[in-house]
Amino acid sequence: AQSVSQHNHHVILSEAASLELGCNYSYGGTVNLFWYVQYPGQHLQLLLKYFSGDPLVKGIKGFEAEFIKSKFSFNLRKPSVQWSDTAEYFCAVNALQAGTALIFGKGTTLSVSS
Amino acid sequence: NAGVMQNPRHLVRRRGQEARLRCSPMKGHSHVYWYRQLPEEGLKFMVYLQKENIIDESGMPKERFSAEFPKEGPSILRIQQVVRGDSAAYFCASSQAGGPTTDTQYFGPGTRLTVL
Repeated sequence: AQSVSQHNHHVILSEAASLELGCNYSYGGTVNLFWYVQYPGQHLQLLLKYFSGDPLVKGIKGFEAEFIKSKFSFNLRKPSVQWSDTAEYFCAVNALQAGTALIFGKGTTLSVSS
Repeated sequence: NAGVMQNPRHLVRRRGQEARLRCSPMKGHSHVYWYRQLPEEGLKFMVYLQKENIIDESGMPKERFSAEFPKEGPSILRIQQVVRGDSAAYFCASSQAGGPTTDTQYFGPGTRLTVL
């Protein structure tokens, strides 16, 4: 069965620090990849997505992610975090030949101190 | 353009009662998905529907759970005879006509179900 692993359960950073959140998936076929963010008290919002093309994807609020097919990874990065980035981040994968479901990781809670 | 709407936001039921969760997709979206999030877990897919059709229910528990997306009105996730283990956040998402392999899923705010 397909699965998504997010390596960090809770990350604590100071403002202006750089961020990298890991995401690996287990599926050998074609995938669509997503990062969603859930700010405190709010619902899931799309941060960025990869369907095809340039493996370096830029999203909202200065976030980017790189799809490395050989490593089955789609890590999220931001060069300088802000206090307002405090949220829970979910990586999700749609394994195109395996079904219609989005498979989510368990999420990473990011806490940014000012 | 309103996003995905879900109601109620919070629902409390006693064991054995029925829970009905509603989801109105974004305007122009004809595909609806339901996910469940248990404490300390990521979202788990339950069911994918188009108008009047269930396309994929591979994530639905075999008993007590059902879903529909009628021609008119919201999608409904129905849980009969609820048990404490059904306590979770239930999220609905919608996408455009292209479906899950070509279109992004946009999520609603969720319904938090508590079973006493």
